[in-house]
Amino acid sequence: EVQLVESGGGLIQPGGSLRLSCAASGFTVSGKDLSWVRQAPGKGLEWVSIIYSGGDTFFPDSVKGRFSISRDNSKNTLYLQMNSLRAEDTAVYYCARVVTGLTYYFDYWGQGTLVTVSS
Amino acid sequence: QSALTQPASVSGSPGQSITISCTGTNSDVGGYNYVSWYQQHPGKAPKVMIYDVSKRPSGVSNRFSGSKSGNTASLTISGLQAEDEGDYYCTSYTSTNTPLFGGGTKLTVL
Repeated sequence: EVQLVESGGGLIQPGGSLRLSCAASGFTVSGKDLSWVRQAPGKGLEWVSIIYSGGDTFFPDSVKGRFSISRDNSKNTLYLQMNSLRAEDTAVYYCARVVTGLTYYFDYWGQGTLVTVSS
Repeated sequence: QSALTQPASVSGSPGQSITISCTGTNSDVGGYNYVSWYQQHPGKAPKVMIYDVSKRPSGVSNRFSGSKSGNTASLTISGLQAEDEGDYYCTSYTSTNTPLFGGGTKLTVL
């Protein structure tokens, strides 16, 4: 059974850094495309990063230069490193598996972890 | 890149059909048959309901269907049920090799 479990969220001051983890089971992260998607309180979904199986990474302008995405194949875990955090980064962060190759959609999602940026 | 355009809210009575639109550009919705739709209930993670414009994952009711014309994709829910109430998001693959979400639509079952 495929499962994604996020951790690492919490309260952080503006300008601070936080690393989120997403532990995967039921598949190996090395061979899959994976993404982080966030949802600010009462708002819609926003894609914030993606790492393809070949290693290419992409970010929207809202987080480019501040966020990075990586994976540890030995721990079967996806990470999101968030630096220079701002109040507008406050959101529930979901990790999700992306199905690609003549298709493109998110098939499995974690339960999310809440990040609150506030002084 | 701006979010795909969805109506903020739609509503319908049990048994009726509703349609949610998702409008983009030639660089996303119009350029690829890679539109997917997600249902989200309060406090829960999103769940894929439709992918590749009109395909249903195993286990999703055939009351859910999808289509696309030009730069606009649509999700139709027929035989509306109380459990269908929630938020719905469209997503499309884009020419920058990244996904793009819609702003979301709140479905109310009257």
